[in-house]
Amino acid sequence: ILNVEQSPQSLHVQEGDSTNFTCSFPSSNFYALHWYRWETAKSPEALFVMTLNGDEKKKGRISATLNTKEGYSYLYIKGSQPEDSATYLCASNGGAQKLVFGQGTRLTINP
Amino acid sequence: DTAVSQTPKYLVTQMGNDKSIKCEQNLGHDTMYWYKQDSKKFLKIMFSYNNKELIINETVPNRFSPKSPDKAHLNLHINSLELGDSAVYFCASSHGAGGPADTQYFGPGTRLTVL
Repeated sequence: ILNVEQSPQSLHVQEGDSTNFTCSFPSSNFYALHWYRWETAKSPEALFVMTLNGDEKKKGRISATLNTKEGYSYLYIKGSQPEDSATYLCASNGGAQKLVFGQGTRLTINP
Repeated sequence: DTAVSQTPKYLVTQMGNDKSIKCEQNLGHDTMYWYKQDSKKFLKIMFSYNNKELIINETVPNRFSPKSPDKAHLNLHINSLELGDSAVYFCASSHGAGGPADTQYFGPGTRLTVL
């Protein structure tokens, strides 16, 4: 059974501060790692998909890194803004075709 | 236009009833999925279809039956609803054959409450 774990489960950050959180996944049979952003009452929205060890992706103030050998990915948010408040999900492949999601990190930005 | 839509958004029903949730995507994707958000808030895959053919069928009670009339639609029918079926169900779609590197696009979810 593939376990994808995210930490912390929740996080409060002051507006303007930078933050990061972690996704851990089994490194064997790795194929892909996804990050999604999920705002309350909306659908999960794709941020990044990474497949190669050492991959780094960036979208605006949000970036992600991938270490497939040790089985972790970090998501970084620089200069947090209130609109960054959301749950951030990661997912990795649990076998050839399906994604297994972590429980998410709920991020709250305090103005 | 909503890319992945689900109806209804909320569904409240009695134990033992049969109900359906509909999903439609207008993205031209080949693969569609059903997920259940469990009590611990995890999104768990239930089914996926590629071009109307079942490719993932997780350990789900056979009271749950997906139906794909065409590749733009994947409906979920649930027979003999039980209290434990109460959850939020999400539909998603992706371009391609449904491989693990394919980005999935999610619908807004259907909150099912079984009384």
